[in-house]
Amino acid sequence: EAGVAQSPRYKIIEKRQSVAFWCNPISGHATLYWYQQILGQGPKLLIQFQNNGVVDDSQLPKDRFSAERLKGVDSTLKIQPAKLEDSAVYLCASSLGQGGSPLHFGNGTRLTVT
Amino acid sequence: AQKVTQAQTEISVVEKEDVTLDCVYETRDTTYYLFWYKQPPSGELVFLIRRNSFDEQNEISGRYSWNFQKSTSSFNFTITASQVVDSAVYFCALSEARNTDKLIFGTGTRLQVFP
Repeated sequence: EAGVAQSPRYKIIEKRQSVAFWCNPISGHATLYWYQQILGQGPKLLIQFQNNGVVDDSQLPKDRFSAERLKGVDSTLKIQPAKLEDSAVYLCASSLGQGGSPLHFGNGTRLTVT
Repeated sequence: AQKVTQAQTEISVVEKEDVTLDCVYETRDTTYYLFWYKQPPSGELVFLIRRNSFDEQNEISGRYSWNFQKSTSSFNFTITASQVVDSAVYFCALSEARNTDKLIFGTGTRLQVFP
């Protein structure tokens, strides 16, 4: 079974620029998550999708972050404009969404904002 | 509110030593799940184990074992005879069982195993 795919692996941008990350979940997984992991901290949920609908985006900084999951499969996360404090690893995960199912994570995108 | 606390920021051991990683959680739910994930230097979070709130049996998988105690809200992880390949950051996480798999993570414990 193929795992969660993410791209790019690394990205360096200047502050105020925009950036987008892509995620392809495990086939058949209804639920998709974007987590932000700042260096030295645990992952923090940004947004959760169930199929193509948003379940929880309470911690997404909506003035600069946006995400979509068209057709209930792939997802993109965008930051515009980026700030220095957005430097982090952005992790995509997917799960069956049945309550208590393990999340399966991709390798993440390491973003550096200079 | 849900919360996961991993008080040990970093642990260093020599190969073949046993090591225990502590995890304490808070939740008002009676039904919940607890997880441990491993994050090696490559960065990917690797699922290790899941326990539900109704199953307090300890579990052993090879050199890994987990001790779940509801009375102290703890879910500790022990590695027996540690190896250099065990070096990683380990995260404990909590999720409500109701219609979501969303995880709340602790801050992680960095384990360094020296040869």
